[in-house]
Amino acid sequence: ELKVEQNPLFLSMQEEKNYTIYCNYSTTSDRLYWYRQDPGKSLESLFVLLSNGAVKQEGRLMASLDTKARLSTLHITAAVHDLSATYFCAVVLFGNEKLTFGTGTRLTIIP
Amino acid sequence: NAGVMQNPRHLVRRRGQEARLRCSPMKGHSHVYWYRQLPEEGLKFMVYLQKENIIDESGMPKERFSAEFPKEGPSILRIQQVVRGDSAAYFCASSPGDRAGNTIYFGEGSWLTVV
Repeated sequence: ELKVEQNPLFLSMQEEKNYTIYCNYSTTSDRLYWYRQDPGKSLESLFVLLSNGAVKQEGRLMASLDTKARLSTLHITAAVHDLSATYFCAVVLFGNEKLTFGTGTRLTIIP
Repeated sequence: NAGVMQNPRHLVRRRGQEARLRCSPMKGHSHVYWYRQLPEEGLKFMVYLQKENIIDESGMPKERFSAEFPKEGPSILRIQQVVRGDSAAYFCASSPGDRAGNTIYFGEGSWLTVV
């Protein structure tokens, strides 16, 4: 059974600081997604990572994938308040289109 | 993700009633997925459908829950005889089905409250 774990579960950080969210998964995967969710809202797609060594960046967020270590990271650079949200990683296995989500990381940016 | 349309957005049902949640996928998408999110938790897969076919229903509770995606019209998630534990946000997602890096888009969700 595929297990997807994120850490930390909660993260409070000051503005302008850098931090990384980690996503580990237990089985070789086809691709990995990062989503953002604001309270009471839907999920916003951030990144899709397809292959080992993939790196994608959008603004202050950068995601990477190491398929050998079964690890993805979401790095936040110089955080700003509007990045406060819950971030989920989700994994898709080969031959299976369903997403298995991590536990989520609730990020709070403190001025 | 605005292209995946769900309704109703909010639904209140008394215990024992039926809840029907609808999802129209993005234009051109033939694959629909339903996920449930309990308060303060992550999303859990329920069912994966293509037109007129259930591909994977391994996340569906064995009783009271059913899903369909007819040839015409939206996908429907049906919950019969609702109980308080069914209170959750139900998200629909869609994709074109081409696995080559496609993004899976989520709808705005349907929040079910059972009283």
